[in-house]
Amino acid sequence: SQTIHQWPATLVQPVGSPLSLECTVEGTSNPNLYWYRQAAGRGLQLLFYSVGIGQISSEVPQNLSASRPQDRQFILSSKKLLLSDSGFYLCAWGRFSNQPQHFGDGTRLSIL
Amino acid sequence: DQQVKQNSPSLSVQEGRISILNCDYTNSMFDYFLWYKKYPAEGPTFLISISSIKDKNEDGRFTVFLNKSAKHLSLHIVPSQPGDSAVYFCAASATVDSWGKLQFGAGTQVVVTP
Repeated sequence: SQTIHQWPATLVQPVGSPLSLECTVEGTSNPNLYWYRQAAGRGLQLLFYSVGIGQISSEVPQNLSASRPQDRQFILSSKKLLLSDSGFYLCAWGRFSNQPQHFGDGTRLSIL
Repeated sequence: DQQVKQNSPSLSVQEGRISILNCDYTNSMFDYFLWYKKYPAEGPTFLISISSIKDKNEDGRFTVFLNKSAKHLSLHIVPSQPGDSAVYFCAASATVDSWGKLQFGAGTQVVVTP
C-alpha cells in the first residue's frame, strides 16, 4: 500500500531563517505531488504541484519554492521566512485527476 | 476568488441523527468533487467522491449528492457517531486540464453530541 511521510511535524523558526520541509511517498511510482498550506480558519490552498522529476508548477506568488529531486521526494523551501509563512503545510500525492489525493500528516510551522 | 464555498463554519448534531454538510462551487469546469475529513494536527483523509456524470454516490454511512444545475453538493452522514466529530472539507477539480489540482472550501466543523 502507499504511504506518505512528512517531517518535521512541528517547526518553530525565526523570521529571516531558511526553511526545508520534506515529503516522501512509498509504494507508488511517478505520482503527482502537491504542497498545500492551511492558514488558520481557512481551507487548503495549493502552493505547488509536480508531475515529474524536476518539474514544478507554482500556483501562487510567494516567498516559497519547491523542488522534486527524486520521483517520490518533494521539498518545500524558503531562503528567508516571513511572519506570513506561518501555517499548516501539507504534502499530498495522486495518480490521476479523477482520483483522490492522499495527504501526509502535515507540518505546523510557526514563525517568531 | 473562492471557487468552492462552505458557508456553514460549524454544525452540531446529536448522535444517531443525520448530518448534512453543504458546498457550493462557481466554476462550471469542475467535474470531480470530493469530501475530506480532518482531525486536528493530522492531514485530511479522503471520505467519498463523485463525478459529474452522477448525481449520487453512497459509501456506507456517507452519501454525496451533486446538483450540477445549482452548482451544489452535499454530504449526508447517517447515523452520526461521536467519531465523526471533525472538520469536513469539500474539494473540486476540473479533470480535463488541472493535473488533479484541487480547490478546497474553508471547511465545516462538525460536533456530534451524545
